[in-house]
Amino acid sequence: AQSVTQPDIHITVSEGASLELRCNYSYGATPYLFWYVQSPGQGLQLLLKYFSGDTLVQGIKGFEAEFKRSQSSFNLRKPSVHWSDAAEYFCAGGYQKVTFGIGTKLQVIP
Amino acid sequence: DGGITQSPKYLFRKEGQNVTLSCEQNLNHDAMYWYRQDPGQGLRLIYYSQIVNDFQKGDIAEGYSVSREKKESFPLTVTSAQKNPTAFYLCASSIAQAEDTQYFGPGTRLTVL
Repeated sequence: AQSVTQPDIHITVSEGASLELRCNYSYGATPYLFWYVQSPGQGLQLLLKYFSGDTLVQGIKGFEAEFKRSQSSFNLRKPSVHWSDAAEYFCAGGYQKVTFGIGTKLQVIP
Repeated sequence: DGGITQSPKYLFRKEGQNVTLSCEQNLNHDAMYWYRQDPGQGLRLIYYSQIVNDFQKGDIAEGYSVSREKKESFPLTVTSAQKNPTAFYLCASSIAQAEDTQYFGPGTRLTVL
């Protein structure tokens, strides 16, 4: 089945440390790929998206993601995490129909 | 300010009752979506609509119904046939297609008593 997979349900990082959230996709061709962020009890907000072109995508709030076709991955990164980045992060992908991963909950410790 | 509004924020319902969740957008988007969110399961698509007066079932449509009489409105009815309706419901819209960026409302938390 075509889908996206987020292997990490929960991640804890120290404030100021670097962050990488993993996302793998299984589609026959390159799908549209997205990263969204959700604060508790709120809707989702787009961080960045990719379909073609430069495989390193810059998003809002200092996030970036790199598309790697050879690894079927679209990992989200941030060089230095802030306490306000604590939230749940969803990878999504597809074409004609977009499916969401189960989410990775990020905890930031002082 | 353009955006998506969902009301109410919290909703309580007794078993056996139908309840309707509101979703309105003023972004002039053609496509609208309803998702259900449960802990550890991500977002699951209930229904979507790409044009007025037309909608399609998503992955978990059983026990739900929708209408799309106006471009800006896409209400979701949770019927008594839905076996486990307690969840967080999110409405979203996009310009035209699912591949377009989806803009989400703040959500409605439904609790069945």
